[in-house]
Amino acid sequence: GAVVSQHPSRVICKSGTSVKIECRSLDFQATTMFWYRQFPKQSLMLMATSNEGSKATYEQGVEKDKFLINHASLTLSTLTVTSAHPEDSSFYICSARESGGSSGNTIYFGEGSWLTVV
Amino acid sequence: GEDVEQSLFLSVREGDSSVINCTYTDSSSTYLYWYKQEPGAGLQLLTYIFSNMDMKQDQRLTVLLNKKDKHLSLRIADTQTGDSAIYFCAESKGDSSYKLIFGSGTRLLVRP
Repeated sequence: GAVVSQHPSRVICKSGTSVKIECRSLDFQATTMFWYRQFPKQSLMLMATSNEGSKATYEQGVEKDKFLINHASLTLSTLTVTSAHPEDSSFYICSARESGGSSGNTIYFGEGSWLTVV
Repeated sequence: GEDVEQSLFLSVREGDSSVINCTYTDSSSTYLYWYKQEPGAGLQLLTYIFSNMDMKQDQRLTVLLNKKDKHLSLRIADTQTGDSAIYFCAESKGDSSYKLIFGSGTRLLVRP
């Protein structure tokens, strides 16, 4: 089946630095990718929709200058957390929608990336 | 209020059936999904149902959809200890965005 890979799976960074998380669709093209954030024991919160070749669409309350999203190709979207602070520590999950897919099973999730800011 | 709501916790005995319930608010949702998340892991798609269906069965899983009441349920037959996890229902918004809105998740504990 279709696979979405996230890298790194775990990252620790110092407060004030930036960290980049990659989301790749390994065997399909993804026009649209989504970035979610999940706090411990909570649900997934949609942060933004990433569209290949255009600017990401951010959900209300998500700082676009803090969470930079780039979707430069049909198989790669990146999320950069800029000037990270401890409160940005979270589990970040991406999903990718297979281009041309119209049925319900064409959205695939990555394994998630744990970010810890110290 | 929340778009998608779920009860937080369910405990069943191994071998029994589990029923996890979900309510949603967007009547134009096209697809409704059930995902499973094990500790520290990503999401595994279990099953989905198109909004014009009222039931879907896939091996041990049965999804029931009551569109009038905007109620979705997931029944797991012969629940096993390996089924212990968090189960999320999600709705696909009825627009062209393909965004998924998730419920709060139901933590299923299967007792031996």
